[in-house]
Amino acid sequence: GEDVEQSLFLSVREGDSSVINCTYTDSSSTYLYWYKQEPGAGLQLLTYIFSNMDMKQDQRLTVLLNKKDKHLSLRIADTQTGDSAIYFCAVQLGGADGLTFGKGTHLIIQP
Amino acid sequence: DARVTQTPRHKVTEMGQEVTMRCQPILGHNTVFWYRQTMMQGLELLAYFRNRAPLDDSGMPKDRFSAEMPDATLATLKIQPSEPRDSAVYFCASKLDRVGEQYFGPGTRLTVT
Repeated sequence: GEDVEQSLFLSVREGDSSVINCTYTDSSSTYLYWYKQEPGAGLQLLTYIFSNMDMKQDQRLTVLLNKKDKHLSLRIADTQTGDSAIYFCAVQLGGADGLTFGKGTHLIIQP
Repeated sequence: DARVTQTPRHKVTEMGQEVTMRCQPILGHNTVFWYRQTMMQGLELLAYFRNRAPLDDSGMPKDRFSAEMPDATLATLKIQPSEPRDSAVYFCASKLDRVGEQYFGPGTRLTVT
């Protein structure tokens, strides 16, 4: 089945850019998502990208997709303390409806 | 502000008891999912419905779990009998048809002692 990998932790200074990376194995992935989860809360959809796109920008968020390397990244510009959370990469395969999630990356903001 | 709602938010029960979790999808969404989140396994898809028909429940332990959609505005996930290993956060999510954004509810945190 599909495998989605993420680093467990990322530490950045407030005001710097954060780049969270994700790799996946199935090339038939159609939609790729980024979700944010704060402690004790549900998953908040941040953004998503279609597999026929290379980049998507939405305010401070930039998603880059490298289909050849099966690599997805989320860049958060001007990282703030409110960005501290777990960020999940999720992949929807062609022909499927459910999402396969990575284990999540804990984003830690240093003052 | 359309959102997925889930009840209860927290549930503590003893092993062997029946547990029922409820979800109200976003109005107009016809595809409803159940996921489970644990520290060890992360987020896993349990089952999902489209237009109230079950499409896939391969992620769900069949002997004790059951999922239904009595109507378009209510999805239920039942565990009978519950076991300590069922302790997890159970999320419901919904979306419109096969494409597009999938929105999650706040989750039900289940503790089985």
